[in-house]
Amino acid sequence: DVKVTQSSRYLVKRTGEKVFLECVQDMDHENMFWYRQDPGLGLRLIYFSYDVKMKEKGDIPEGYSVSREKKERFSLILESASTNQTSMYLCASSSQGLNTEAFFGQGTRLTVV
Amino acid sequence: AQSVTQLDSQVPVFEEAPVELRCNYSSSVSVYLFWYVQYPNQGLQLLLKYLSGSTLVKGINGFEAEFNKSQTSFHLRKPSVHISDTAEYFCAVSDGSGDTGKLIFGQGTTLQVKP
Repeated sequence: DVKVTQSSRYLVKRTGEKVFLECVQDMDHENMFWYRQDPGLGLRLIYFSYDVKMKEKGDIPEGYSVSREKKERFSLILESASTNQTSMYLCASSSQGLNTEAFFGQGTRLTVV
Repeated sequence: AQSVTQLDSQVPVFEEAPVELRCNYSSSVSVYLFWYVQYPNQGLQLLLKYLSGSTLVKGINGFEAEFNKSQTSFHLRKPSVHISDTAEYFCAVSDGSGDTGKLIFGQGTTLQVKP
């Protein structure tokens, strides 16, 4: 079975902190994604990566950065956390191509206080 | 760019009744369409996908969807729902720009199955 593992299920951080969300996949997938999920807004793409050290901005990249130094790991970084970044964060991976399904992690619920 | 619209934010239905969750997409290129389900406190999992061929696609747990190119729709149906189908359902389209397989999601539809 494909596994996408997010390092934390729940996180509570203070405003202004630098926050790291980690994601690891074990299927040698080229693509990895970070989405943010908010009620009524569905899933919005923050960043995605199609290869090691390659990344592209999604629809809502402001306030976030990413790192992909190894194929299996994709990190989302909140440089200075703010309360409006309180949300559910979902990581996903897929093999290259338009017709491949994405596999999702369990999500990290981040609360910024 | 592709976009996806799920026309209903919530769909309440009684157990054993049929249900349809509606999804419309916009695209000027060939599309690949997906339905995902998210059970409470879990990540998303694939229900079914349309890549090509037959416009009626069958998925897991008795769900099916019909691709309608002229109406740019990909509605999800189940003839008889169970309490366990209570979840949030997301329609998605694969972004045709490049070959990366970036998924664009709709806003989600919460299916509430009542006893």
